[in-house]
Amino acid sequence: AQRVTQPEKLLSVFKGAPVELKCNYSYSGSPELFWYVQYSRQRLQLLLRHISRESIKGFTADLNKGETSFHLKKPFAQEEDSAMYYCALKGGAGSYQLTFGKGTKLSVIP
Amino acid sequence: DADVTQTPRNRITKTGKRIMLECSQTKGHDRMYWYRQDPGLGLRLIYYSFDVKDINKGEISDGYSVSRQAQAKFSLSLESAIPNQTALYFCATSDPRQGDTGELFFGEGSRLTVL
Repeated sequence: AQRVTQPEKLLSVFKGAPVELKCNYSYSGSPELFWYVQYSRQRLQLLLRHISRESIKGFTADLNKGETSFHLKKPFAQEEDSAMYYCALKGGAGSYQLTFGKGTKLSVIP
Repeated sequence: DADVTQTPRNRITKTGKRIMLECSQTKGHDRMYWYRQDPGLGLRLIYYSFDVKDINKGEISDGYSVSRQAQAKFSLSLESAIPNQTALYFCATSDPRQGDTGELFFGEGSRLTVL
């Protein structure tokens, strides 16, 4: 079975402080990991995927297979980063599905 | 603008009533999904469809049914709504022609309250 764990429901940081949103996964195969973001009054949207190894809006995430983690990081938080963040894993029994974590609400304090 | 549209956006109903949530998309994507979002539980997959003739149960399909009327339309039904189906429902699409990148395109959500 595949599972995604986001241990923090809420994370509050001050503007300019570093941010790390934690994500751990459980999956027997080779995982594909994603971060989705939902800003206030906006649709849920893809932020980044591990295979792209890209930085989006200053955020990066590295897949650590040894620790089965895919933490989302940003060196300096901005107020506009306040949102709900979901880690997601792609996999499963020959069909395409995304399994989402329970989400972490990031609040950046001015 | 190519989009994923859900109707209704908000609905309040009573226990036992039949409810249909509709989703239409102009993205031309074959794959469509219905998710449910609950505070503290994240998003959970209810049903998904890879084409008009392919319907699959997700993680929490009990109490729900779906209909894929066309490539562009995917409806979710609650035959007899109950209060614990109160939630925010999302429709999403994906395009396997893009190499199965894992990107889902979401609608704005339908908030359902069952009294």
